[in-house]
Parts: sequence; C-alpha cells; structure tokens
Amino acid sequence: GIQVEQSPPDLILQEGANSTLRCNFSDSVNNLQWFHQNPWGQLINLFYIPSGTKQNGRLSATTVATERYSLLYISSSQTTDSGVYFCAVESNAGGTSYGKLTFGQGTILTVHP
Amino acid sequence: GAVVSQHPSWVICKSGTSVKIECRSLDFQATTMFWYRQFPKQSLMLMATSNEGSKATYEQGVEKDKFLINHASLTLSTLTVTSAHPEDSSFYICSASWGDTQYFGPGTRLTVL
Repeated sequence: GIQVEQSPPDLILQEGANSTLRCNFSDSVNNLQWFHQNPWGQLINLFYIPSGTKQNGRLSATTVATERYSLLYISSSQTTDSGVYFCAVESNAGGTSYGKLTFGQGTILTVHP
Repeated sequence: GAVVSQHPSWVICKSGTSVKIECRSLDFQATTMFWYRQFPKQSLMLMATSNEGSKATYEQGVEKDKFLINHASLTLSTLTVTSAHPEDSSFYICSASWGDTQYFGPGTRLTVL
C-alpha cells in the first residue's frame, strides 16, 4: 500500500514563529487532506489539497503531486496551534480505493508563549 | 455543514462485555463511513469501511466477528466491540465523506477493565 511520511516528528516553536511541515507519499493520489488533532482528539479539517496551493488565514498548503509531496505552512504561530498535524492520502493506484485514507505518523507541534 | 457526531464520548466497561458506538452524519447523507482506531501517541489506523445497506469491508488483520459494523441508514453507522478485553482499549474515530472531503467525529475513548 501507499506509504506516507511526515517530517519533522516534533516541532517546538515560540509564539509568533513560522513553520513548515512536510508530507511525502509513495504513489499517486486523488485525495490529500491536512488535519489538526486538538488535545481532546478531535480531527479538524484544514485543507483538501490533492494538488496546487490553498490559503486560509495564517495557514497555507501546497501539494506538488508530480513530486509526491505536500507542505503545510503555519505563519505567526499561536499557542492554540499546538497539537498534532496529520497528512492523509487516498491512493489512486491499483483501482478504486473507495475513499480510504492512509495517515502519516503526524507532526507534534508545541507553541510556547 | 458536514458535522459528524459520535456517542458516547467515553465508555468504561468490564472485560467480556460488549460496547456499541454510534456515528452520525448530522447535516448530510453518507453512503460510506469509515472506522479508525488510534492508540496513544500513534496515528490513525483504518479498521473498516461501512457501506449503507451492505456488509462492511474490513482491513487486513481486523477481526470482523470482534468489531461488528452496521450501517443501517444514510446517517448512522454503529461499531460494536464484542466481548471486549483490555487490549481493545483505544480511541475509536469515525468519518464520513461529503464530496471529496472526509469529516471526522470527535472520537470515543474506550477503556476495558
């Protein structure tokens, strides 16, 4: 099956700093989503971005599908940005996958005041 | 829009009992829902795909007689953990697709004593 690798595994920032999280995947995809899991476990949708670039406030994401990676940018980080960031993909290799997502291991972000 | 709920949020049960977890799409219809499992400090692992009106599709290594899934309507899927044991203690999360995006419920934390 498709492999998803996220880096870095851990990231510690001071409030106000910028950061870039990376997601590499091993095969072509027809769905890529970024999520933020808050301390209570809720997964919050950040972006649906199988290709191209999107921005939402202080967050933006870019996926270069031909090179099989995606980047999540967080600018002017705040303490409320702390949590785990997951990249998840749906492979389009080998026929239909019916929407099944494969998750990376996540990046644990800690923002200090 | 695209809100997914789960009930209960947490449950504690004795070893050998069965536990039912409900997943509902509140403002959209979902022909397909997914069930994931997450151990502490780990990523989400897909357990099964729940299809309305038909049998669930289980991922390799997931016991279908242990984890019973019923997708009785376009807004409700249930996961029953039968004869639960302490090793079944985990965080169970469901999701539903709306358009190209998957939306996740808040999760159910199961503790088996």
